[in-house]
Amino acid sequence: KNQVEQSPQSLIILEGKNCTLQCNYTVSPFSNLRWYKQDTGRGPVSLTIMTFSENTKSNGRYTATLDADTKQSSLHITASQLSDSASYICVVSARGGGRRALTFGSGTRLQVQP
Amino acid sequence: ETGVTQSPTHLIKTRGQQVTLRCSSQSGHNTVSWYQQALGQGPQFIFQYYREEENGRGNFPPRFSGLQFPNYSSELNVNALELDDSALYLCASSPWGTGAGANVLTFGAGSRLTVL
Repeated sequence: KNQVEQSPQSLIILEGKNCTLQCNYTVSPFSNLRWYKQDTGRGPVSLTIMTFSENTKSNGRYTATLDADTKQSSLHITASQLSDSASYICVVSARGGGRRALTFGSGTRLQVQP
Repeated sequence: ETGVTQSPTHLIKTRGQQVTLRCSSQSGHNTVSWYQQALGQGPQFIFQYYREEENGRGNFPPRFSGLQFPNYSSELNVNALELDDSALYLCASSPWGTGAGANVLTFGAGSRLTVL
């Protein structure tokens, strides 16, 4: 069964600090992995998308890593801002067929405090 | 370029009633998928529509049904509402293709359904 596990479930950090969110997956055959940011009451917005051959990808203060061997990904947020307070969802796509088989993690809820 | 728009944004229903949620896909996107997101949980896949036909379904009962129209907009219908149906319903559109780029979903802001 395809699964995506995220940790921690929730995290509180002070403004300006860095943090790292984790995503472990058992999706096969792997196609790609995406991190989304979801503000409260809003739809998720894509931050990064990574394929099998990519190890690191950055989007401003967000840096995602992927280790396809251990099936782990991380999202590192540098110099956090209050606006980073949101849920961060890891989504893994499986290859094959016409249907895009996506498995969603439950998300990490990040709260940045002043 | 317009994004994904959903309506209504909030609604309240009672058990046993029926609800219809609507979604307009992003310009250039021909595939629409629907997700149910309970509070504090990740989105759960309900179903996907392509060329006006259901093209994949998650673990949801038949009382969850949908439509896609020629302009690629879509509806989600839920019959015989239950208390557990209370959730944020997300619509996402995407282009149909085989590359990694085709897997980028554009989500709407969601419809918050409360069943009393």
